Amino acid sequence: NAGVTQTPKFRVLKTGQSMTLLCAQDMNHEYMYWYRQDPGMGLRLIHYSVGEGTTAKGEVPDGYNVSRLKKQNFLLGLESAAPSQTSVYFCASRGDRYEQYFGPGTRLTVT
Amino acid sequence: GENVEQHPSTLSVQEGDSAVIKCTYSDSASNYFPWYKQELGKGPQLIIDIRSNVGEKKDQRIAVTLNKTAKHFSLHITETQPEDSAVYFCAARGAGLEYGNKLVFGAGTILRVKS
Repeated sequence: NAGVTQTPKFRVLKTGQSMTLLCAQDMNHEYMYWYRQDPGMGLRLIHYSVGEGTTAKGEVPDGYNVSRLKKQNFLLGLESAAPSQTSVYFCASRGDRYEQYFGPGTRLTVT
Repeated sequence: GENVEQHPSTLSVQEGDSAVIKCTYSDSASNYFPWYKQELGKGPQLIIDIRSNVGEKKDQRIAVTLNKTAKHFSLHITETQPEDSAVYFCAARGAGLEYGNKLVFGAGTILRVKS
């Protein structure tokens, strides 16, 4: 039981490049979330999904897209990376009693 | 929407002393309040949570208290150890369905336990 895993762990992009971050969970959770973490700002919700085939916008969705084709996977895409998207990205899934389980994070730098 | 404020932003204690971190929330309908511990280079890990029908919850050296009237909740760590050094986040879940029952997080507290 690996919980929530994320790939890659680190990535450096140039402005304008695209990439996809992968999140996988093995707990059969319906809800999944993508957050970004910036110094002094806690965790901010980018997008979320309430089940396979569904996605919805969070607080800071601009510049990101997501897909949930399989229940266990939640993908976060950056179509044209910008320096403002330099951050640490965390994926989480939610259990039946609202508790969220986080992955280890992806540290992204956009130059 | 919900707003969560967390204090202090940094806290230094001597090993063996107690540490207290406080959070206030704005939405009186919020009903779930978790605390997360984040070690350097890792993802946040749930350490304890409390629901609005409970005033206090303990788990070994960790306890959380909730005052619904004042809309604040606190994390108490007793007999602190060096391995307690980390960033701690509080969060609150609103009762509505906005953002998939999202959690709103505080900005975090850096706890340093000096040995």
